[in-house]
Amino acid sequence: QVQLQESGPGLVKPSQTLSLTCTVSGGSISSGDYYWSWIRQPPGKGLEWIGYIYYSGSTYYNPSLKSRVTISVDTSKNQFSLKLSSVTAADTAVYYCARAIGGILTGADRSVFWFDPWGQGTLVTVSS
Amino acid sequence: SSELTQDPAVSVALGQTVRITCQGDSLRSYYASWYQQKPGQAPVLVIYGKNNRPSGIPDRFSGSSSGNTASLTITGAQAEDEADYYCNSRDSSGNHHVVFGGGTKLTVL
Repeated sequence: QVQLQESGPGLVKPSQTLSLTCTVSGGSISSGDYYWSWIRQPPGKGLEWIGYIYYSGSTYYNPSLKSRVTISVDTSKNQFSLKLSSVTAADTAVYYCARAIGGILTGADRSVFWFDPWGQGTLVTVSS
Repeated sequence: SSELTQDPAVSVALGQTVRITCQGDSLRSYYASWYQQKPGQAPVLVIYGKNNRPSGIPDRFSGSSSGNTASLTITGAQAEDEADYYCNSRDSSGNHHVVFGGGTKLTVL
């Protein structure tokens, strides 16, 4: 069973770059038709998609964050990473990594897309 | 539009049935997926596709879709179902962007 675990600094200074890593266990990050994803949740608020990297290496980002986000994969370590530059207090949030699957299931009349599993999440606070 | 709209809060009496809805243009092309989130925990997938439950999710959870609206139904709500519920899909414009609903706080009375 695939499991994901986020790691990285819990405190980042304003204007600096937030860097997080997600370690995948129980399966290879380079096998399968998956989207390796980052999602965040500010305290007391809802979920916000940050972006994902497809198994092919293509990346897709939330337009509101695109200019500051980079997601990359290190297949040798079975990890993928998030970098968010020029952070402000508004970037304070719990950051989750997750695996996503998308496509059309047999017999379905619509496409599908879902996140499963999720990491436990890591709180990143932006403060001086 | 790439937005998904959910009611902020819904309540249900213990053992009764409750429906949580999610509206958005992308749902005409995508089935919604649904996540349950309890305080201090990561979201957990409860429904995906037309009406599929991951292993371990009770069969009192079910999903349905009509037009631009998706619904999550809990038949016989239990105290442990009290949580925030989020819907999610991908933008139907082909840009690969992902959208979440704002979430619904379910209270079991």
